[in-house]
Amino acid sequence: GIQVEQSPPDLILQEGANSTLRCNFSDSVNNLQWFHQNPWGQLINLFYIPSGTKQNGRLSATTVATERYSLLYISSSQTTDSGVYFCALDDMRFGAGTRLTVKP
Amino acid sequence: EADIYQTPRYLVIGTGKKITLECSQTMGHDKMYWYQQDPGMELHLIHYSYGVNSTEKGDLSSESTVSRIRTEHFPLTLESARPSHTSQYLCASSEYSLTGWITDTQYFGPGTRLTVL
Repeated sequence: GIQVEQSPPDLILQEGANSTLRCNFSDSVNNLQWFHQNPWGQLINLFYIPSGTKQNGRLSATTVATERYSLLYISSSQTTDSGVYFCALDDMRFGAGTRLTVKP
Repeated sequence: EADIYQTPRYLVIGTGKKITLECSQTMGHDKMYWYQQDPGMELHLIHYSYGVNSTEKGDLSSESTVSRIRTEHFPLTLESARPSHTSQYLCASSEYSLTGWITDTQYFGPGTRLTVL
């Protein structure tokens, strides 16, 4: 199956900082999603982005399918952004996640 | 806001018991999924379904079963619980198109935290 690799595994930021999370995959995909899992365990879909760029407030994502990677940008981070960010591919294979901690 | 529900939210049981975790969604989604997740770790697909009377196995399916008799309901059963089953179980749903696995966003329930003593 497709291999998914997320980086960095852990990220600690001060409130207000910007960050970039990366998802690499080993083969072409038809579908890619980014999720945020909050500290209480609830998973929320952030972007459905098999290709191109999307933006939603302080978050944006870009998938370059030909290069087999996707990036999630978080600008002006807030403490509520803390949690684990996962990317998932079209066979519902999840990466190991990036654990983000935003300090006040 | 997604309308997908899981019960119970927390369950503590003894080894060898048979348990059923419930999942329901009111969005009319055809595709539903069960995942197992240890705290802070990646999700592992257990089972999924394309629609009524459809069930498929994922990576961790060997010790559990599912059924899909109604579109909105997708229960997961562990025939004989073991301490190794202690984990969080997440149910999800999405729309499904014949052109691919997922055509729209995937919505997750709040999860069931299972502890097997």
